[in-house]
Amino acid sequence: EDQVTQSPEALRLQEGESSSLNCSYTVSGLRGLFWYRQDPGKGPEFLFTLYSAGEEKEKERLKATLTKKESFLHITAPKPEDSATYLCAVDPIQGAQKLVFGQGTRLTINP
Amino acid sequence: EAGVTQFPSHSVIEKGQTVTLRCDPISGHDNLYWYRRVMGKEIKFLLHFVKESKQDESGMPNNRFLAERTGGTYSTLKVQPAELEDSGVYFCASGSYTEAFFGQGTRLTVV
Repeated sequence: EDQVTQSPEALRLQEGESSSLNCSYTVSGLRGLFWYRQDPGKGPEFLFTLYSAGEEKEKERLKATLTKKESFLHITAPKPEDSATYLCAVDPIQGAQKLVFGQGTRLTINP
Repeated sequence: EAGVTQFPSHSVIEKGQTVTLRCDPISGHDNLYWYRRVMGKEIKFLLHFVKESKQDESGMPNNRFLAERTGGTYSTLKVQPAELEDSGVYFCASGSYTEAFFGQGTRLTVV
């Protein structure tokens, strides 16, 4: 069964304190791995798609990387506005265009 | 450009009643997805439309759930009769598998 596990469940950082969120996955085949940001009361907001091991993508203070078994979302010098829940999802090769989500990491950045 | 819009934002109904959720996708998007997050669990796929056709409904929990997309524009998700375990946040998304845009969700509470 396709499965996505995110860690930690919650992370509290001081402003400027860099860290990484982990997403490990077990799928029969991977068409793509997705990172989303979700603010309270809102739907997931697309951040990145990664397709193959070794791929990296960056957006402002965020950088996503992918290996054959896991992905990392690195947050460099975060600001309070980066506080949100970060969701990881995979699109397995079997099946058509449906995402399998992890439970998310709730990130809080204290000023 | 308007994003994905969902109605209502919140709905509280009694067990056994019927509720209909609506999703207006981004104009021109053929792909429309429904997802659900129940309390404490990860977001899970329900079904996928391409235009007005159901491409994959493998995530629909049971036959109390009926999704439609007449004319390939907006979609409705009807729950009849509602049960307590149907409570959760229902998300709609449109776009492609490489970048899906989510609505803000409908929070359904069955009491």
